[in-house]
Amino acid sequence: DAMVIQNPRYQVTQFGKPVTLSCSQTLNHNVMYWYQQKSSQAPKLLFHYYDKDFNNEADTPDNFQSRRPNTSFCFLDIRSPGLGDAAMYLCATSRVAGNYNEQFFGPGTRLTVL
Amino acid sequence: GENVEQHPSTLSVQEGDSAVIKCTYSDSASNYFPWYKQELGKGPQLIIDIRSNVGEKKDQRIAVTLNKTAKHFSLHITETQPEDSAVYFCAAKREYGNKLVFGAGTILRVKS
Repeated sequence: DAMVIQNPRYQVTQFGKPVTLSCSQTLNHNVMYWYQQKSSQAPKLLFHYYDKDFNNEADTPDNFQSRRPNTSFCFLDIRSPGLGDAAMYLCATSRVAGNYNEQFFGPGTRLTVL
Repeated sequence: GENVEQHPSTLSVQEGDSAVIKCTYSDSASNYFPWYKQELGKGPQLIIDIRSNVGEKKDQRIAVTLNKTAKHFSLHITETQPEDSAVYFCAAKREYGNKLVFGAGTILRVKS
């Protein structure tokens, strides 16, 4: 089945230790998104790629970076995680930019910062 | 920018009753309104969406209505079942662009 896959599902890191979260998709969608979701809150968009074009949200901290080496994969790098970065990180994809593009979400990676 | 307000924040209903969740949006340029269901520990899953050129859409026990003039849209679930218990998010998107703006979410509990 075509899907959005996130690895790992649970990630524990230490304060200040860089961490990378992975997302892959078999949908061949050209847009990939990274969201941060804290407990009992709505998903908050960090950034997205439209093909190779990177689009950062204005309020995304510099501590968060992303890479998209090819259509299928997208990575979220947190350079120096703080306690406030503990959250669920959701990857999503959509087929085209513009009107009505349904977003498909992965299961998420829950990040714990010790 | 767009702002989406969602009410209520929690909703408890008896199995078999109906549930209604309401959202309002601020940006008149928004024209796509999806609803997502998120179960504990999982990513959001699209359950229904509506475009601004229609006023209502149904899919079995789920329906969504849109009032463009008033800038609000609602999710209706009939004959609720325990497996409908989850967090529901509404969202809005402008005609041009990729960004979905989410409401704060509604925790729906269906009591059997």
